[in-house]
Amino acid sequence: EAQVTQNPRYLITVTGKKLTVTCSQNMNHEYMSWYRQDPGLGLRQIYYSMNVEVTDKGDVPEGYKVSRKEKRNFPLILESPSPNQTSLYFCASSLGMNLPRQTQYFGPGTRLLVL
Amino acid sequence: SQKIEQNSEALNIQEGKTATLTCNYTNYSPAYLQWYRQDPGRGPVFLLLIRENEKEKRKERLKVTFDTTLKQSLFHITASQPADSATYLCALPYTGTASKLTFGTGTRLQVTL
Repeated sequence: EAQVTQNPRYLITVTGKKLTVTCSQNMNHEYMSWYRQDPGLGLRQIYYSMNVEVTDKGDVPEGYKVSRKEKRNFPLILESPSPNQTSLYFCASSLGMNLPRQTQYFGPGTRLLVL
Repeated sequence: SQKIEQNSEALNIQEGKTATLTCNYTNYSPAYLQWYRQDPGRGPVFLLLIRENEKEKRKERLKVTFDTTLKQSLFHITASQPADSATYLCALPYTGTASKLTFGTGTRLQVTL
């Protein structure tokens, strides 16, 4: 089954404790992206990757890191989480971003609480 | 700056009626516009895409229009059903760099019996 998976689905942590949220897709997609979703603010892009070893900042990259060493995986790293990073996180992938490859497939989400 | 606006107030309609949701944007010249459906606590699911040179697109009970002069897209669900209750998001690629996609905040639709 074609899908985007994220782990963990739920995470409670404390300020300053490094964490990684994994994202994997099995559709051989080139483009992958991370979003956070907050009430009233909608989905905001954190980082994206056009292909292996190619990453770039989205709209809200501060406090986050990513890497793309393999095509299928795109982990999101919070080196020193803070309470303002409490949010619902989504990973997404697509064949590309130009027509007709641009349909985004989203993972199930990771709900993060930073105390 | 580039901005997308969707009605933040929930839209409540009766089963069988047509729901119409609006997406307005400024400072974009998008090659396309997408609509997604999101259920609570779940990831958005792609519904429809309309290109800048298309006026209208249909898929089953869904219809999308795209007016690049008004900078507006309308999303219609005909013969609405309670199962259509969800939040609907529009999304556009950034002008000048198609690598980034921006989403509106979404409009919640509630269809009642």
